[in-house]
Amino acid sequence: DIQMTQSPSSLSASVGDRVTITCRASQSISNYLNWYQQKPGKAPKLLIYTASSLQNGVPSRFSGSGSGTDFTLTISSLQPEDFATYYCQQSYSSSLTFGGGTKVELK
Amino acid sequence: QVQLVQSGAEVKKPGASVKVSCKASGYTFTSYDINWVRQATGQGLEWVGWMNPNTGNTGYAQKFQGRVTFTRDTSISTAYMELTSLRSDDTAVYYCARPTYCSSTSCSRDFDYWGQGTLVTVSS
Repeated sequence: DIQMTQSPSSLSASVGDRVTITCRASQSISNYLNWYQQKPGKAPKLLIYTASSLQNGVPSRFSGSGSGTDFTLTISSLQPEDFATYYCQQSYSSSLTFGGGTKVELK
Repeated sequence: QVQLVQSGAEVKKPGASVKVSCKASGYTFTSYDINWVRQATGQGLEWVGWMNPNTGNTGYAQKFQGRVTFTRDTSISTAYMELTSLRSDDTAVYYCARPTYCSSTSCSRDFDYWGQGTLVTVSS
């Protein structure tokens, strides 16, 4: 299976901060990389698909970039509703895998 | 509107089996795969596998091969996941999820609609 490694595992930030989360694949996955946001007790929500495409209805402060093995999710100006856990997911191989998650907390 | 509604929480003993349902509405059930993802308490997301409700074709993560079975009842737009030989480390919330788009031949493997989750607790 392709291993997905996210960093950091957690971070503290303030409203208005620019936040960057990275995800690294154990082999090249082209641009088959998706990002989700999950809040406690809720199902994940798709933010970004194919590395950089913004899902309908997701605010433009979220953006994704990267290809091959290295990817980033950026929140340009953190809002109160953005405090959550974020997961990357590769959809390159027949067996899907997720990163371990990055928890974004209030500083 | 698209909805995936899952069955309620289950408590099972080690070695038992559990069957979780996922009822789809708001779209043509046979036009989109259903995937299953689980999440142990405080842990990350783990993909279990997928099913094509039209053909019944399935694919399972290697970790679950031989213990998990996906089925469906197209007459009631419902997908099922059955997990056997339950162990304590199978305790988790199990989600069904629908791909963002599907063509006549394949589906994307990012998921824009999710069920609310079903907590399966395995305890003696």
